[in-house]
Amino acid sequence: GNSVTQMEGPVTLSEEAFLTINCTYTATGYPSLFWYVQYPGEGLQLLLKATKADDKGSNKGFEATYRKETTSFHLEKGSVQVSDSAVYFCALSGWDSGGYQKVTFGTGTKLQVIP
Amino acid sequence: EAQVTQNPRYLITVTGKKLTVTCSQNMNHEYMSWYRQDPGLGLRQIYYSMNVEVTDKGDVPEGYKVSRKEKRNFPLILESPSPNQTSLYFCASTYRGGSTDTQYFGPGTRLTVL
Repeated sequence: GNSVTQMEGPVTLSEEAFLTINCTYTATGYPSLFWYVQYPGEGLQLLLKATKADDKGSNKGFEATYRKETTSFHLEKGSVQVSDSAVYFCALSGWDSGGYQKVTFGTGTKLQVIP
Repeated sequence: EAQVTQNPRYLITVTGKKLTVTCSQNMNHEYMSWYRQDPGLGLRQIYYSMNVEVTDKGDVPEGYKVSRKEKRNFPLILESPSPNQTSLYFCASTYRGGSTDTQYFGPGTRLTVL
């Protein structure tokens, strides 16, 4: 079946540092890839997505490129802020054996940015 | 405002006492799901619904029931809760459930079963 592997957290960075959160996946076919963010006490929100190989998703200074050759979708940001402190989930959307769309989430990576 | 609402947000109950967590969306979405979130396990899908009266099991359906009598509502039912169902629960909805569609999540329900 499909699976998503994220780097374990927590990740602690100083403000303005460079962020990378690794995400790799296994899937049949051509899944869509997503990053969701969960701020404390809230539900998940879509951060960015990419629907085909070599697509780059971007939002709020975050970027991720769909790399089919390395089955990866790493999240990057050039300069993090305290307000970026949250849990980040990598996810893929594919098709299960019954022909239904199914979203598979990684375990989440907690980011803490300190002033 | 487009949103997914869940109630209650917090619930403490005892083993065996039936409970229902409600979920409602105002976006006319067809596809809805329930997830549970546990430390180190990420989000796991409990049940999903492709449309009214169409529901199916996700990855961890044991101990849960759902119904979809109206498009906007998708309640999660625990007939006889047990402590291993203590978790954070999220409802989500999607326009069609296609592979590129974004899921919209509710704020979560933190359930504790004693």
